[in-house]
Amino acid sequence: TQLLEQSPQFLSIQEGENLTVYCNSSSVFSSLQWYRQEPGEGPVLLVTVVTGGEVKKLKRLTFQFGDARKDSSLHITAAQTGDTGLYLCAGDRGAGNNRKLIWGLGTSLAVNP
Amino acid sequence: EPEVTQTPSHQVTQMGQEVILRCVPISNHLYFYWYRQILGQKVEFLVSFYNNEISEKSEIFDDQFSVERPDGSNFTLKIRSTKLEDSAMYFCASSGDSTEAFFGQGTRLTVV
Repeated sequence: TQLLEQSPQFLSIQEGENLTVYCNSSSVFSSLQWYRQEPGEGPVLLVTVVTGGEVKKLKRLTFQFGDARKDSSLHITAAQTGDTGLYLCAGDRGAGNNRKLIWGLGTSLAVNP
Repeated sequence: EPEVTQTPSHQVTQMGQEVILRCVPISNHLYFYWYRQILGQKVEFLVSFYNNEISEKSEIFDDQFSVERPDGSNFTLKIRSTKLEDSAMYFCASSGDSTEAFFGQGTRLTVV
């Protein structure tokens, strides 16, 4: 069974603080994607990491893919209230261009003013 | 910006009835997917579709489910005889040559 474990499950912080959420698996993925989901809406893609050790930055968000391509982290610097939401990681176990995503349960982030 | 669109946004149906969920993938994409998310649970892969046939399906995608691309733009998921446990958000996604899958806003299916 391919599982993605995300931690923490819930996180409540004050505006301006930094935070890191983690996505771990015992399986290797060809790529890993981070999404953000608002209640009642579909996941919105933030970033895809493909290469082991890869680091990508999206404004205040920094994504890292583990060297073995089994885990990833998302670091948010100086969190803002607009960062509040559910952050999901999804690992790709598809072959070729077939995207079969295995999902974590998500980290629910609340940034308080 | 191109997007995946899904209709209806909310569907309420009686147990045992058939439902068809509709999706319009991004126009130049070749791979199409259905996922579902039961309230409070993980997003789960149902099926992927390429070149007018199913390329992969999960154990959830049993004989009550079917997918179809009836024309050049729509991609549908049919649930033949709905059960209470089919209540969930159903997401359509599509992908092209890149590694990324793009998701629609979802259809909330409520079986009563």
